[in-house]
Amino acid sequence: NAGVMQNPRHLVRRRGQEARLRCSPMKGHSHVYWYRQLPEEGLKFMVYLQKENIIDESGMPKERFSAEFPKEGPSILRIQQVVRGDSAAYFCASSPPNQGGSYEQYFGPGTRLTVT
Amino acid sequence: EDKVVQSPLSLVVHEGDTVTLNCSYEVTNFRSLLWYKQEKKAPTFLFMLTSSGIEKKSGRLSSILDKKELFSILNITATQTGDSAVYLCAVPPNAGGTSYGKLTFGQGTILTVHP
Repeated sequence: NAGVMQNPRHLVRRRGQEARLRCSPMKGHSHVYWYRQLPEEGLKFMVYLQKENIIDESGMPKERFSAEFPKEGPSILRIQQVVRGDSAAYFCASSPPNQGGSYEQYFGPGTRLTVT
Repeated sequence: EDKVVQSPLSLVVHEGDTVTLNCSYEVTNFRSLLWYKQEKKAPTFLFMLTSSGIEKKSGRLSSILDKKELFSILNITATQTGDSAVYLCAVPPNAGGTSYGKLTFGQGTILTVHP
């Protein structure tokens, strides 16, 4: 059973360009979460999605950031007009449908975005 | 807002030492607490704790939860250089809400084990 897959693993963008980060959850998992980890900081929640639905986007910046999890294909985190402050590691995690209120999230290897 | 605080922020030991990492939390309607190990890549799941006083063990690692005092500890005995990593603890949000996916992480403990 393949784990959570993310690509690309490293992404370099110039200021003003767009960044697209992809995440394929583990087989059988229907919930996807995106987290951001800035240098020297912990993981911060960004958005939680199920197929074709955004469940909670309370951690997403109000502008330039969007996420989707279409019926077919991977989840996409999109950052428009990137700025240097967007440089970070972006992790995707997935989990199976909730069972009794306790669960585990499995993380992908992350995409390290560098904005030059 | 849920809050997770870990201590110490960093720890340097020698191989063979035993370490204890701490995680305290403030959560409304606690459900579980999770420990992860993060090396230079994805956090890897270690333990999920839901009940007080029941130790979870995996090799040289063990963890226990105290729901009365709102903390958990992660113990590593006979440390090895391969244990060097950032150890993260996290809590999910309130039970009954729609956003049970939103893990709140502590800032992590950076453990360095010297040979």
